[in-house]
Amino acid sequence: EDQVTQSPEALRLQEGESSSLNCSYTVSGLRGLFWYRQDPGKGPEFLFTLYSAGEEKEKERLKATLTKKESFLHITAPKPEDSATYLCAVKWETSGSRLTFGEGTQLTVNP
Amino acid sequence: GAGVSQSPSNKVTEKGKDVELRCDPISGHTALYWYRQSLGQGLEFLIYFQGNSAPDKSGLPSDRFSAERTGGSVSTLTIQRTQQEDSAVYLCASSPPGLETQYFGPGTRLLVL
Repeated sequence: EDQVTQSPEALRLQEGESSSLNCSYTVSGLRGLFWYRQDPGKGPEFLFTLYSAGEEKEKERLKATLTKKESFLHITAPKPEDSATYLCAVKWETSGSRLTFGEGTQLTVNP
Repeated sequence: GAGVSQSPSNKVTEKGKDVELRCDPISGHTALYWYRQSLGQGLEFLIYFQGNSAPDKSGLPSDRFSAERTGGSVSTLTIQRTQQEDSAVYLCASSPPGLETQYFGPGTRLLVL
């Protein structure tokens, strides 16, 4: 069964303390990998799409990278407003248009 | 511009009742998706509509669940004879033509008592 695994489940950082979130996936045939941010009581907010190994995307303090079997979301000098759950989702060539989501990493940034 | 909208925001119902959830996609988006997010679990795909093609219903958990999309725009997800395990957040997303990215609405929080 195609799977998407995110780690860690939860992460606490001090403001300014950089770190990375991991998203690993089974099975080959990646068609796209997506990162979303979800705040409590809201729908997922799109951050990045990555399509091929070696690709990188950046937005403010966030940078997403992709290898053949995993993706990282790097957070540089985070601020309290970066606190949220970060979701990774994969679309495979054989899965049509559906996204398969990981269970997310809950990030808390303390001031 | 306006994002994906969903209504109602919250719905409380009694076990055995039917419920209808509505999704208005972003204008011009041809693809529409429904997902379910249960407490402590990841988002689970339910159904996908693309233009006039037959929908991909492979994620619907039982025949109590159905969805339709009228005029290529608004979609309604119907759950018949609701059960307590149907309690979850139901999320709708849409995509523009030719692009993979899905944009999500705020969700409908369903509680079945």
